[in-house]
Amino acid sequence: EIVLTQSPATLSLSPGERATLSCRASQSVSSSLAWYQHKPGQAPRLLIWDASNRATGIPPRFSGSGSGTDFTLTISSLEPEDFAVYYCQRRHDWMYTFGQGTKLEIK
Amino acid sequence: EVQLLESGGGLVQPGGSLRLSCAASGFSFSRYSMNWVRQAPGKGLEWISTISAGGTGTYYADSVTGRFTISRDNSKNMVYLQMNSLRADDTAVYYCAKDKVSYSSDYFDFWGQGILVTVSS
Repeated sequence: EIVLTQSPATLSLSPGERATLSCRASQSVSSSLAWYQHKPGQAPRLLIWDASNRATGIPPRFSGSGSGTDFTLTISSLEPEDFAVYYCQRRHDWMYTFGQGTKLEIK
Repeated sequence: EVQLLESGGGLVQPGGSLRLSCAASGFSFSRYSMNWVRQAPGKGLEWISTISAGGTGTYYADSVTGRFTISRDNSKNMVYLQMNSLRADDTAVYYCAKDKVSYSSDYFDFWGQGILVTVSS
């Protein structure tokens, strides 16, 4: 079973700052990794798929990079609406695994 | 516009049963695998089940295998989750999620708003 480990658990930043979130896989997953944004009381939203492709309607300030075991989600300049929990996710056979999440909070 | 609307949640006693429903619209439902993902209070997202587009393939997380059953009705654009032998640790918000690509996908591109299931005496 592939384990996804996200860091940091909590990230405290101010609007306008750059956010860098990390996801590390316990073994290589090639580029098969997604990022989701989740706000309380809302549906999770797909941000990035296949490590670096922005989903439909996602603003360009969101970008993804990485391959193999190390992946990064970058938000270039934080907007107030970006404060949320972010999860990485991948699929292996018919099993889907999520990281434990990074909470991005306002400093 | 893709819409997924869960229903059927509520309070149930330990050992009890509940059936969740997800009504889908805005896409060719019969071409997409569908999924259930849950979030327990204070915890992260946990995938629990997937059903293939035609309904012949069903898959489960270890935590629910043997207790939960996923099914679908492509004539009604509905997906279901029958939950039996419920335990306190099944308490969670349950989300219905659509595969990103028809027939098989690594990711979920649309999610419902979620429905709360509380297992408590």
